[in-house]
Amino acid sequence: EDQVTQSPEALRLQEGESSSLNCSYTVSGLRGLFWYRQDPGKGPEFLFTLYSAGEEKEKERLKATLTKKESFLHITAPKPEDSATYLCAVPTIRGGRDDKIIFGKGTRLHILP
Amino acid sequence: DSGVTQTPKHLITATGQRVTLRCSPRSGDLSVYWYQQSLDQGLQFLIQYYNGEERAKGNILERFSAQQFPDLHSELNLSSLELGDSALYFCASSPRTGVAAFFGQGTRLTVV
Repeated sequence: EDQVTQSPEALRLQEGESSSLNCSYTVSGLRGLFWYRQDPGKGPEFLFTLYSAGEEKEKERLKATLTKKESFLHITAPKPEDSATYLCAVPTIRGGRDDKIIFGKGTRLHILP
Repeated sequence: DSGVTQTPKHLITATGQRVTLRCSPRSGDLSVYWYQQSLDQGLQFLIQYYNGEERAKGNILERFSAQQFPDLHSELNLSSLELGDSALYFCASSPRTGVAAFFGQGTRLTVV
């Protein structure tokens, strides 16, 4: 069964304290992995797409990397405004056709000033 | 602003009632997804449409239905509402299937 698992569930960091969030997946034939940021009560905001092992994408203090079995979202010197839930998602295939996009439960990140 | 518009933003209704949630995708996007997010729960995939055709279905209840119209906007119909249907309902769109989708701001449904 296709599955996306994120860890940790929650993470509290001091401002400036770097860390990484993990997303592991089991899908048939990965064709991409997406990272989103979600603020409370708002819709997820698209951050990155990664397509192949070894690929990296950066945006401000965030860097996403991909291996054959997992992806990491590295947060460097975070600020309080980086506090949010970070979601990982993968598109799935069924019967040779694009199927759904499934999401992990997310990591709730809280940056303390 | 993602370019995906959902209306209404908030909806309060009684048990047993029926409601319709509306979604206008980004200009040019053919694929529309619907998700449900209950309090402190993850995003649960409901259904996907591509250019008017149903493409994929998740654990969508029989009381729920959706459609995508020729102008590509989509509607999610929820009937015989129960307290447990209270949630945020999100619509997302993408130019085609298999690529990242962009989300609207959601409709918060409260069933009382």
